Amino acid sequence: AQTVTQSQPEMSVQEAETVTLSCTYDTSESDYYLFWYKQPPSRQMILVIRQEAYKQQNATENRFSVNFQKAAKSFSLKISDSQLGDAAMYFCAYRSYPYNAGNMLTFGGGTRLMVKP
Amino acid sequence: DTGVSQNPRHKITKRGQNVTFRCDPISEHNRLYWYRQTLGQGPEFLTYFQNEAQLEKSRLLSDRFSAERPKGSFSTLEIQRTEQGDSAMYLCASRPEGTEAFFGQGTRLTVV
Repeated sequence: AQTVTQSQPEMSVQEAETVTLSCTYDTSESDYYLFWYKQPPSRQMILVIRQEAYKQQNATENRFSVNFQKAAKSFSLKISDSQLGDAAMYFCAYRSYPYNAGNMLTFGGGTRLMVKP
Repeated sequence: DTGVSQNPRHKITKRGQNVTFRCDPISEHNRLYWYRQTLGQGPEFLTYFQNEAQLEKSRLLSDRFSAERPKGSFSTLEIQRTEQGDSAMYLCASRPEGTEAFFGQGTRLTVV
């Protein structure tokens, strides 16, 4: 079974600064997806960024980028130019490659990000 | 609104009562998932449907829980004889093959 660990229960960043959220995972699979989801206080989970394990290039979406280290099983999220609207719970999640057993997301425990004006 | 819709948004029930939640996925999304999220924790997988077939169930899904997805459209999650430990946010997500999941806003259950 796969596990996802987020070791930072809370993080704080000054508006316009950069913050990095950490995530490690454990799996015996070679093909999989990794995701970062954002859950604002309204509680609807929103996808931030996705990484396919077979891709060496780190995914980037505007101000959001990841540092994917497959050998180390590490998947951190960097938020640049932080905005007040970035304040939320952030969840790291793992999903097996479609043709392996299981299609569900396995989530970490989350990191609460606070953005200071 | 073409997102995933969940009803009700909030439900307060007395211990021992039965409750049913509904999820309307995004149209033409053949895969539907239920997750449970307790306060301060990440969501945990409960069950998965591909069209109308329930293909996976977590060990978290005790025999008091049942889920259906008739005709492969909306889904219901029923909890019988609710217990205080059932208090949580119940999230529904849907996706077509090959893409990420889209989540609803959830149903918050409080068992008193």
